[in-house]
Amino acid sequence: AQTVTQSQPEMSVQEAETVTLSCTYDTSESNYYLFWYKQPPSRQMILVIRQEAYKQQNATENRFSVNFQKAAKSFSLKISDSQLGDTAMYFCAFRNTNAGKSTFGDGTTLTVKP
Amino acid sequence: GAGVSQSPRYKVAKRGQDVALRCDPISGHVSLFWYQQALGQGPEFLTYFQNEAQLDKSGLPSDRFFAERPEGSVSTLKIQRTQQEDSAVYLCASSLLAGEIDTQYFGPGTRLTVL
Repeated sequence: AQTVTQSQPEMSVQEAETVTLSCTYDTSESNYYLFWYKQPPSRQMILVIRQEAYKQQNATENRFSVNFQKAAKSFSLKISDSQLGDTAMYFCAFRNTNAGKSTFGDGTTLTVKP
Repeated sequence: GAGVSQSPRYKVAKRGQDVALRCDPISGHVSLFWYQQALGQGPEFLTYFQNEAQLDKSGLPSDRFFAERPEGSVSTLKIQRTQQEDSAVYLCASSLLAGEIDTQYFGPGTRLTVL
């Protein structure tokens, strides 16, 4: 079974600074997908960024980028130029290529301070 | 168009009551997922539909939990004889495609409180 671990329950960052959220996972699969989701307070969960395991190049989406280390089974999220609207809970998730099921970590609560 | 909607948004049930939670996916989305999110934790997978077919129900915690999607659109998650440990937010998500890893769009969730 796959497991996803987020070791930082809470983090804070000053507005305009950079912050990195950590995620490690465990799997015996070779092909899979990794995701970071954002869940703002009392709002719906939305996809931030995704990474295909077969791609060596790290995914980027505007201010969001990942550091994917397949051998180490590590998948961290870097948020550059943090904004107040980035305040949310962030979840790392794993999904096999042929499965419907996603496995989520327990989340990191990020607070961006003005 | 509209996103994924869920109803009711809040449900309070007495222990032992049956509840039904509804999910309206984005129109045309083939895949539909149910997750259970306990307070302070990440979502846990319950079940997955591709059209009307329930392809994976491995996450349903007991036989008190039942999900259906009879016409391949709206889905209902039913919990019989609710217990206090069933208190959680139930999330529904849908995605356009089947058989591929496609973006999942989440609904706002139904917060179930069992007294």
